[in-house]
Amino acid sequence: DVKVTQSSRYLVKRTGEKVFLECVQDMDHENMFWYRQDPGLGLRLIYFSYDVKMKEKGDIPEGYSVSREKKERFSLILESASTNQTSMYLCASSSRPGGNKMHEQFFGPGTRLTVL
Amino acid sequence: GNSVTQMEGPVTLSEEAFLTINCTYTATGYPSLFWYVQYPGEGLQLLLKATKADDKGSNKGFEATYRKETTSFHLEKGSVQVSDSAVYFCALSLNTGFQKLVFGTGTRLLVSP
Repeated sequence: DVKVTQSSRYLVKRTGEKVFLECVQDMDHENMFWYRQDPGLGLRLIYFSYDVKMKEKGDIPEGYSVSREKKERFSLILESASTNQTSMYLCASSSRPGGNKMHEQFFGPGTRLTVL
Repeated sequence: GNSVTQMEGPVTLSEEAFLTINCTYTATGYPSLFWYVQYPGEGLQLLLKATKADDKGSNKGFEATYRKETTSFHLEKGSVQVSDSAVYFCALSLNTGFQKLVFGTGTRLLVSP
């Protein structure tokens, strides 16, 4: 069974702390994504990566950074957490598209982060 | 820009009722369209997809038809079950570049026995 796992389901941190959210996929996918999910706003793309050590900004990258040192692992980093980063964070992965074929994104269960 | 608009919820239905969740989109180019479902406490799962105009995606009794003339991709099911209670997200992806997904805000469906 294909799987995307995230390091924590629930996380509570204090303002100013450095926060690491980890995501691992076992499908040998090239692409990995980080989203945040907020009520009334749906999912918004923070960063994505199409290869090891490669990263691209999504729609809301401010306050976040990412790291992809190995193909299976994609980390989201909050350098100095703030209360407006309280949210549900979802990781996803997909294989590299070929031609016009769209490859499905597979999602992890999410990490609910609370910043106090 | 590219965007997806879906009806606000929650949508509350009795078991065996007919379901429609509206979704319209704005896109430059010719997008692929998707419905994802999120069950309580879980991540998103792909429910169905359509890659070109007039395609019909279907899965688990759900259907959606890609209507280019009305830029719509409405989700339907003839008879809902309690187990269909979830949040449903409409999304699009342009078939170029990195194929990022653009999501709607989600519609919560509550089905009562």
